[in-house]
Amino acid sequence: SQQGEEDPQALSIQEGENATMNCSYKTSINNLQWYRQNSGRGLVHLILIRSNEREKHSGRLRVTLDTSKKSSSLLITASRAADTASYFCATDSGGGSNYKLTFGKGTLLTVNP
Amino acid sequence: DTGVSQDPRHKITKRGQNVTFRCDPISEHNRLYWYRQTLGQGPEFLTYFQNEAQLEKSRLLSDRFSAERPKGSFSTLEIQRTEQGDSAMYLCASSLVFEQYFGPGTRLTVT
Repeated sequence: SQQGEEDPQALSIQEGENATMNCSYKTSINNLQWYRQNSGRGLVHLILIRSNEREKHSGRLRVTLDTSKKSSSLLITASRAADTASYFCATDSGGGSNYKLTFGKGTLLTVNP
Repeated sequence: DTGVSQDPRHKITKRGQNVTFRCDPISEHNRLYWYRQTLGQGPEFLTYFQNEAQLEKSRLLSDRFSAERPKGSFSTLEIQRTEQGDSAMYLCASSLVFEQYFGPGTRLTVT
């Protein structure tokens, strides 16, 4: 079963616009991570946010985490055509199981030039 | 910097045949993971190694699947008596701590 669920399933924007993707999960976690996957390729780690953090930035990425609502959002600012990819949130199982990641189905982001 | 590599990248096999995939993790990473991904889905956890010890196996990993990591370096994933439902992308990842680094995957097609 999948712990995380991303929303929306697909998002199409113009280059230069911001893209926001959301993730909800069901059980307590230690960390939440976001990954990017270009078509038919492996996943690339983007950012990790710990359960005691509320917001984190990395370049054009901003991630928020609300543990009371069991949700996270990923904001990509000033999007580029190269940002076109599927984006997945991944959560661990909490407690001592901080290695096993459960992924959602992903958000397919298309950035039109 | 050498990333995670997987071999082969593509494998087409007939139903009932055995297949074996190899994963070479980033050299200093002691943790290694196998995932399976089907079209339109996120990766699903299959198994986890810390060094050479296999610490967890998903219920998805039926008795036809076996994974090894001899000497805590590369890992192999073998599927015996393949079925059409085994067709998927098999992803390997490695890590030092929490952030996992993925290989390009092996796409298996069972005909």
